[in-house]
Amino acid sequence: QQQVKQSPQSLIVQKGGISIINCAYENTAFDYFPWYQQFPGKGPALLIAIRPDVSEKKEGRFTISFNKSAKQFSLHIMDSQPGDSATYFCAANDSWGKLQFGAGTQVVVTP
Amino acid sequence: GAVVSQHPSRVICKSGTSVKIECRSLDFQATTMFWYRQFPKQSLMLMATSNEGSKATYEQGVEKDKFLINHASLTLSTLTVTSAHPEDSSFYICSAKDRTKNTGELFFGEGSRLTVL
Repeated sequence: QQQVKQSPQSLIVQKGGISIINCAYENTAFDYFPWYQQFPGKGPALLIAIRPDVSEKKEGRFTISFNKSAKQFSLHIMDSQPGDSATYFCAANDSWGKLQFGAGTQVVVTP
Repeated sequence: GAVVSQHPSRVICKSGTSVKIECRSLDFQATTMFWYRQFPKQSLMLMATSNEGSKATYEQGVEKDKFLINHASLTLSTLTVTSAHPEDSSFYICSAKDRTKNTGELFFGEGSRLTVL
């Protein structure tokens, strides 16, 4: 059973557009919410992460928005580039340090 | 940044043989490492938590006798797939937690692609 629900499953966006990926969770014990980027045949790489005491975090073109009361968080990729084409996973870390991943979103940025 | 190295990156073996995959933290020490399995176009599924100097803890449904985990030092964890069968073919990924940091951040290896013929 997926503890972190992620949508959409796939996304096509034009170069320069905004990619938005949403995640929701139920377990209020989660206290760390990272986003990972994965290219085919590679391990996931940390993109950006947030803790529940912050509502938004921005790093370059990547922004996480966090809504604690709704138990939802999202990733916005501004000015999307073809090099951003990858699979993105949201995740949540519980008190045991275990990372629970969302199902993933395949993002394709068209030239 | 912190680097986690996995070896081998690809391995092909015959059904019935055992395969060992190594996960090393190169520039930090990790008391805890995690092993994941990822099937094509699917998410990462946690298999087990590897604890230095103690037994690994396995997720529900993961056979501990099938997937042997050893975490003998603060920089090395190994996953041995015993008596491998074609259904064990998958992408195995490890991650490690820096013991000196309490950020929750995990550093991932590049993964090991196992193909069982």
